[in-house]
Amino acid sequence: AQKITQTQPGMFVQEKEAVTLDCTYDTSDPSYGLFWYKQPSSGEMIFLIYQGSYDQQNATEGRYSLNFQKARKSANLVISASQLGDSAMYFCAMREVYQFYFGTGTSLTVIP
Amino acid sequence: DVKVTQSSRYLVKRTGEKVFLECVQDMDHENMFWYRQDPGLGLRLIYFSYDVKMKEKGDIPEGYSVSREKKERFSLILESASTNQTSMYLCASSLGNRDRSTDTQYFGPGTRLTVL
Repeated sequence: AQKITQTQPGMFVQEKEAVTLDCTYDTSDPSYGLFWYKQPSSGEMIFLIYQGSYDQQNATEGRYSLNFQKARKSANLVISASQLGDSAMYFCAMREVYQFYFGTGTSLTVIP
Repeated sequence: DVKVTQSSRYLVKRTGEKVFLECVQDMDHENMFWYRQDPGLGLRLIYFSYDVKMKEKGDIPEGYSVSREKKERFSLILESASTNQTSMYLCASSLGNRDRSTDTQYFGPGTRLTVL
């Protein structure tokens, strides 16, 4: 079974609007971390935000927030007020024991 | 800020050559990782190391080996490069907290390797 599933290969959003990128995960470990990374065309993976499995509140970092629904095993990334520079690939990841697992990514395009 | 550097951004090698990809981190992180990234397949873990001289196989270790002689440096070795090893290679490091949920990976800029 896939550890991390991202079902949206590509997304479009109008500049200044909000967008939600979906991520579901699968684990039986009670302690885990969930992460989102951005990969622009340059190739570097940039850490955006993380959520711990025991965190009660959703994580926020500037325009990024993580909508964590533990019972549904989902960890969606919400980007508010989209900017042209947000156009990139976005990867959801989970840490379990020593390993990180990554989804296949969502390509986000921000339209002016 | 965490800094992870990789020896080359772009590399072109011939089939059968021995290839070394170097990764260095400057934040005294315990854990280091090598991934390859291919379109539609996401990131796949090749090897990781949680301590000096320690290594563990990831999901796709065949055709690769690693070396970690110093804490800050983790090398990926392609003993005899093949065309199917043409890919983007990403190195990452993480602190290695006991609290796994907060142990964030930080990535280097990547090496685009082409094997002809």
